[in-house]
Amino acid sequence: ETGVTQTPRHLVMGMTNKKSLKCEQHLGHNAMYWYKQSAKKPLELMFVYNFKEQTENNSVPSRFSPECPNSSHLFLHLHTLQPEDSALYLCASSQDTGGNIQYFGAGTRLSVL
Amino acid sequence: EDQVTQSPEALRLQEGESSSLNCSYTVSGLRGLFWYRQDPGKGPEFLFTLYSAGEEKEKERLKATLTKKESFLHITAPKPEDSATYLCAVHQGGSEKLVFGKGTKLTVNP
Repeated sequence: ETGVTQTPRHLVMGMTNKKSLKCEQHLGHNAMYWYKQSAKKPLELMFVYNFKEQTENNSVPSRFSPECPNSSHLFLHLHTLQPEDSALYLCASSQDTGGNIQYFGAGTRLSVL
Repeated sequence: EDQVTQSPEALRLQEGESSSLNCSYTVSGLRGLFWYRQDPGKGPEFLFTLYSAGEEKEKERLKATLTKKESFLHITAPKPEDSATYLCAVHQGGSEKLVFGKGTKLTVNP
């Protein structure tokens, strides 16, 4: 148990669906991250939040919409996804940004049909 | 151009057969190099952080070392439970990002 919980663990959705991924951290950290992990590719940073403020958007398509209501919770809202968006989506948290150790959740395995 | 390159892509060892994984990086102003372990169906699990050339850290059968251009993860007398994908990531000064390599998939056969 890393202290970072992601739900759901698995998600199958059609291209016209709207769904949300949830991440919660119990570590008292101030920074939270969304990553995408695809086969044969490095982890791709999507979004960074520090003290609830988005500090990085790594050129992510608008069909991915993050939300961070407080330092403990992070959401990724999904709509009109493409099959190539199928991947493992990982949430992480750290004390703050700037190279602190990031602790990861178990991820949500997303399949877009 | 990749900033973090891990080799080999995959490695098969017999139990007890020691070896090393490599992580080379091209970023300037390294602020930290991180090693993670990832098991199938799970998120990456933190192992080590190294901050300066010459630094070494150990944990059980694992030892991480750092030079100005690369890091090694040495595995001594591995066991089947050491089978996993090992990820390397670097933090570059002036950035909030960790840049990850593609990982090395290690399989240790009994």
